[in-house]
Amino acid sequence: AQTVTQSQPEMSVQEAETVTLSCTYDTSESDYYLFWYKQPPSRQMILVIRQEAYKQQNATENRFSVNFQKAAKSFSLKISDSQLGDAAMYFCAYRPWDYGGSQGNLIFGKGTKLSVKP
Amino acid sequence: DAMVIQNPRYQVTQFGKPVTLSCSQTLNHNVMYWYQQKSSQAPKLLFHYYDKDFNNEADTPDNFQSRRPNTSFCFLDIRSPGLGDAAMYLCATSAPGPAGPQHFGDGTRLSIL
Repeated sequence: AQTVTQSQPEMSVQEAETVTLSCTYDTSESDYYLFWYKQPPSRQMILVIRQEAYKQQNATENRFSVNFQKAAKSFSLKISDSQLGDAAMYFCAYRPWDYGGSQGNLIFGKGTKLSVKP
Repeated sequence: DAMVIQNPRYQVTQFGKPVTLSCSQTLNHNVMYWYQQKSSQAPKLLFHYYDKDFNNEADTPDNFQSRRPNTSFCFLDIRSPGLGDAAMYLCATSAPGPAGPQHFGDGTRLSIL
């Protein structure tokens, strides 16, 4: 079974600095998708960034970028120029490429709580 | 704006008293999901619908049921809530296929007295 591990329960970063959140996963599949979701306190979970496993190029969305190491099964999130609004719980998630038609199976890690200090 | 709306935001029920949580979407997505998220834990998928096709996760208790009367609405029914069912319940939608991101509602926080 696939698993997702986030080894840092909590992280802290100074405003305007850079922080990296770690994520590793375990799968025997070669095709899949990886996601980072952000869940601010008492607010909805939103997608931060997405990576297709078949793409070697690391995904980037403005201040958010990933370091995808497929062989190592590692998928870290880098937040540059951290802002107060970045404070949230961040979840790493894995989703298989399913040729069978199943639409479920978004597997989440336990999350990393990010605090941003002014 | 197209969105996923969950009602109510907070729900209190008594031990053993059936409760229904609702979710609606304006995204016209084929797939709708229900997750259970307990404090400081990752969301756990309970089940999902692809159109009218219902897919139950193997470890979802029989106490949890779902209905999807049309594309826009999906309901989570908890037949006899126990104290262990107190959690945040998240509804999400997506277009078909593994690449599409899931769009989440704000969640319903369920408390059991």
